[in-house]
Amino acid sequence: KNEVEQSPQNLTAQEGEFITINCSYSVGISALHWLQQHPGGGIVSLFMLSSGKKKHGRLIATINIQEKHSSLHITASHPRDSAVYICAVSSETSGSRLTFGEGTQLTVNP
Amino acid sequence: EAEVAQSPRYKITEKSQAVAFWCDPISGHATLYWYRQILGQGPELLVQFQDESVVDDSQLPKDRFSAERLKGVDSTLKIQPAELGDSAMYLCASSLTGGQPQHFGDGTRLSIL
Repeated sequence: KNEVEQSPQNLTAQEGEFITINCSYSVGISALHWLQQHPGGGIVSLFMLSSGKKKHGRLIATINIQEKHSSLHITASHPRDSAVYICAVSSETSGSRLTFGEGTQLTVNP
Repeated sequence: EAEVAQSPRYKITEKSQAVAFWCDPISGHATLYWYRQILGQGPELLVQFQDESVVDDSQLPKDRFSAERLKGVDSTLKIQPAELGDSAMYLCASSLTGGQPQHFGDGTRLSIL
């Protein structure tokens, strides 16, 4: 079992829909990261959080430390949101080393 | 375009050949990471530098892979000899210090024939 599990693996939505991507982890963490990877390969860091909730534009990230679970929400989704979304954690014992989930491929159709 | 510079963007080479990737991190970032990402999977850390020192290379296949960051700025990752299973995206990232958000380059996509 991977230390970081994401669901769903693939997600297709219509433009304007509210989207949720989930991440569960099995280790104690110092921080959780949400990353976005476009087809060209480059990765952009969206959020780094250790508690509560963060919001940036149409993106919202939440984390529940007790349940070892985080969600990434996209409101009013748009075709340009189509990308792979990756959850990663830095554990309490690994320093700054990140352990990555396998990613969620999101496709938003017009 | 990413602030972390990587070259080349694409590399095609035959197995048994040597291949090298270069990374120039964001100015002032002390921590530099090299990751390998196989298609359909998340990235996997190969090596982490703090300035010019290696702090984690536990996942680096040291029989064929080497990495250096001689002056604590840019870095080179080398594979010799390349094998078919090395085909992947190689990503470089940097952060101000360990534990800070990481900034990624656009990666080098390696194909071994």
